[in-house]
Amino acid sequence: DSGVTQTPKHLITATGQRVTLRCSPRSGDLSVYWYQQSLDQGLQFLIQYYNGEERAKGNILERFSAQQFPDLHSELNLSSLELGDSALYFCASSASSGRASDTQYFGPGTRLTVL
Amino acid sequence: LAKTTQPISMDSYEGQEVNITCSHNNIATNDYITWYQQFPSQGPRFIIQGYKTKVTNEVASLFIPADRKSSTLSLPRVSLSDTAVYYCLSADSNYQLIWGAGTKLIIKP
Repeated sequence: DSGVTQTPKHLITATGQRVTLRCSPRSGDLSVYWYQQSLDQGLQFLIQYYNGEERAKGNILERFSAQQFPDLHSELNLSSLELGDSALYFCASSASSGRASDTQYFGPGTRLTVL
Repeated sequence: LAKTTQPISMDSYEGQEVNITCSHNNIATNDYITWYQQFPSQGPRFIIQGYKTKVTNEVASLFIPADRKSSTLSLPRVSLSDTAVYYCLSADSNYQLIWGAGTKLIIKP
């Protein structure tokens, strides 16, 4: 158990809908990262927050947005969903601001299926 | 443009030593190179990290040459349970994190 929790575990929805994925980092960790992993694909970095502020941005679509709250949990919002958004979405947390030396602890993921 | 390159897949047999090499150009001068392991439908987990030369822990070794343009993850005496995808992670000169595409390692009996 990494100490990172993600809810829900599974989500099935229809095209055009909007969903929110939630992540609680490990106790004391200040950074939260979001990743998308499509079937048999590698990790695609979406976005990172550090202590409430956006720290780094990857290949995140404009239909997607995220935020980190004062209690450090984070939410990833996906809107106008398309079939291609079906994937595993991972959240990770780390203690510091996000160097490669900063070990990331990954949650179990949320499996999103868009029908 | 910084890029991290690793082989897409590798096969080996139980009991063998496996070496997976990652190439990372334009790497940040003051950051580490980190490797993660991912099993199907699970999040990646940390294996090992290093800055230069050789680092060893209970599961793997990491070799990083002086120019730091590559790193090699070494798994001694692999078993079937080492079948997984292995990712290298480094940072570019702007300290933006760069993930490799992952190496799918299949261990055969």
